[in-house]
Amino acid sequence: EIVLTQSPGTLSLSPGERATLSCRASQSVSSSYLAWYQQKPGQAPRLLIYGASSRATGIPDRFSGSGSGTDFTLTISRLEPEDFAVYYCQQYGSSPPNTFGQGTRLEIK
Amino acid sequence: EVQLVESGGGLVQPGGSLRLSCAASGFTFSSYDMHWVRQATGKGLEWVSAIGTAGDTYYPGSVKGRFTISRENAKNSLYLQMNSLRAGDTAVYYCARGKPVVVVAAPPNWYFDLWGRGTLVTVSS
Repeated sequence: EIVLTQSPGTLSLSPGERATLSCRASQSVSSSYLAWYQQKPGQAPRLLIYGASSRATGIPDRFSGSGSGTDFTLTISRLEPEDFAVYYCQQYGSSPPNTFGQGTRLEIK
Repeated sequence: EVQLVESGGGLVQPGGSLRLSCAASGFTFSSYDMHWVRQATGKGLEWVSAIGTAGDTYYPGSVKGRFTISRENAKNSLYLQMNSLRAGDTAVYYCARGKPVVVVAAPPNWYFDLWGRGTLVTVSS
């Protein structure tokens, strides 16, 4: 069974800084089938990245995804105030299907 | 506007039942696989069920045999019938639109490109 581990649990940064979030899988993720979601308090998750590196419709280009195999990264190049939220990764290439990481909270320093 | 709106949540006793609904608008509902994903307070996301365009259904072991997903394309609606509810089922339940991928030697998988705002289910005596 594939398990996704996100790090760090909490990341404290200031607007304008660069954020790097990690998602590590216990086994290789098939075909880089990994997605990233953003969730703000009281709101539904929003798809940011799919296929490890493809931005979803309407997502600003300051968000980028990279990685393959077991190690994946979400990078936010210059943080905007609206980017402070919880981020989840999800694998959709293995069994059991559709598993999520535990999340990384990005907070304002 | 493309959106999903859930309803039907509430307080139910352990062992009880509840039926959630999701109303879709702004897209061709019948052409998409649809899902329920839940989130316990302060916790992460857990996929709960899926239904394909042909009515094929999928569940994780945690809810299989207790939850039933269904759809009514004429009404652009998705449903989740939840029976034998437990305290551990307490969560916000999100309706989500899935984008499928085909993986050799693995069950169907999806990522989720549209989510509703969720409806809260509380299982407590």
